[in-house]
Amino acid sequence: KAGVTQTPRYLIKTRGQQVTLSCSPISGHRSVSWYQQTPGQGLQFLFEYFSETQRNKGNFPGRFSGRQFSNSRSEMNVSTLELGDSALYLCASSLAFLTGGRDTEAFFGQGTRLTVV
Amino acid sequence: QKEVEQDPGPLSVPEGAIVSLNCTYSNSAFQYFMWYRQYSRKGPELLMYTYSSGNKEDGRFTAQVDKSSKYISLFIRDSQPSDSATYLCAMITSGSARQLTFGSGTQLTVLP
Repeated sequence: KAGVTQTPRYLIKTRGQQVTLSCSPISGHRSVSWYQQTPGQGLQFLFEYFSETQRNKGNFPGRFSGRQFSNSRSEMNVSTLELGDSALYLCASSLAFLTGGRDTEAFFGQGTRLTVV
Repeated sequence: QKEVEQDPGPLSVPEGAIVSLNCTYSNSAFQYFMWYRQYSRKGPELLMYTYSSGNKEDGRFTAQVDKSSKYISLFIRDSQPSDSATYLCAMITSGSARQLTFGSGTQLTVLP
């Protein structure tokens, strides 16, 4: 079965622009969560969507937003890009809302490498 | 102070060595503990999951949790060059606002 697909894989944007990243979860998975990974801060939770509703949000500014569609595909948007937004953005899908149990194992995509110049 | 602190490494060991990877945490609400492995240019993949204090074994991997000391470890026996990757500990609280909180990762290289 196909894994988690993130597009695009690489992106270069200019400061002040906005960007939209896409994540297609594993078929049948209803939860999609997003993470930012940087060398300095590591992997940080952005938000989780389940059945088109944002269930949980990390400590990121309002410039970071997301949504989930009825087919569970999710998009993440970052407006007014800053140099510090350069990072690997990872999405993960799981069968159900993230509980920590083994049956809600999060499967990660390969990420989108965003560079802001 | 971060909620989850992980020994940063990098760690370099000869093939066949026993590897010990460690994390400490400060939030006693963390109830579920995971270890992820991340190869270069890939997303993390779940290696081990546990929710109780004690040891859990899976092949060459053993996850150890000590909730009283707020300390978790991952042991890799008979390490192989294919184990070379970054290892991340991760935790989830038991409350309703659940999110995966990751350690900063330890880069491991197993030399043939």
